[in-house]
Amino acid sequence: EIVLTQSPGTLSVSPGERATLFCRASQTINSIHLAWYQQKPGQTPRLLIYGASSRASGIPDRFSGSGSGTDFTLTITRLEPEDFAVYYCQQYGGSVTFGQGTKIEIK
Amino acid sequence: EVQLVQSGAEVKKPGESLKISCKTSGYSFSHFWIGWVRQVPGKGLESVGLIYPADSDVRYSPSFQGQVTISADTSIDTAYLHWSSLTASDTAIYYCARRWGIGKVSQNPYDFWGLGTLVTVSS
Repeated sequence: EIVLTQSPGTLSVSPGERATLFCRASQTINSIHLAWYQQKPGQTPRLLIYGASSRASGIPDRFSGSGSGTDFTLTITRLEPEDFAVYYCQQYGGSVTFGQGTKIEIK
Repeated sequence: EVQLVQSGAEVKKPGESLKISCKTSGYSFSHFWIGWVRQVPGKGLESVGLIYPADSDVRYSPSFQGQVTISADTSIDTAYLHWSSLTASDTAIYYCARRWGIGKVSQNPYDFWGLGTLVTVSS
């Protein structure tokens, strides 16, 4: 099973600043099989990025994804108040696994 | 409109059995993978497994193999997650989610989610 490790566990950022989240896989994965989700308290996860770098429908362009092989990144430029949430990476090539999540909190 | 409607919250005792459901509508149920995801309150997302309803092909995550049973009834467009003997460690919210993209070869993320079923196991 592919294990995804996210870092940092918690990120303290001020509104308007940039946030960079990392996801490392235990083995090489095809970048077309890497996604990022956002989850707010009491809500279901929301797909942000698929194929490592493609934004899902309706996702603002301040969200961007990159990476390949075992290392992937989610970047949120100019954090808005609604962006403070928990973010998960997911690999979905055949099996499905999630990272343990990164919480973005208000600094 | 795609919808996944999950059954209501459950409170059970250790050793009891339980089957929760995910009733779908608005798309061709048989030809999209459906996944189950566990979330212990305050913790992260864990994949339980997936089912392709058309042929009931089930893929369990290693941690859940032998612990739960995933099934589907294509006559009523509903997926199920079943425990034969619950333990306290099964206490969590369980989400069903549709894998985007028609066909068994689809390898895509989840695009639609149910609201979750809270399962509480306590003596």
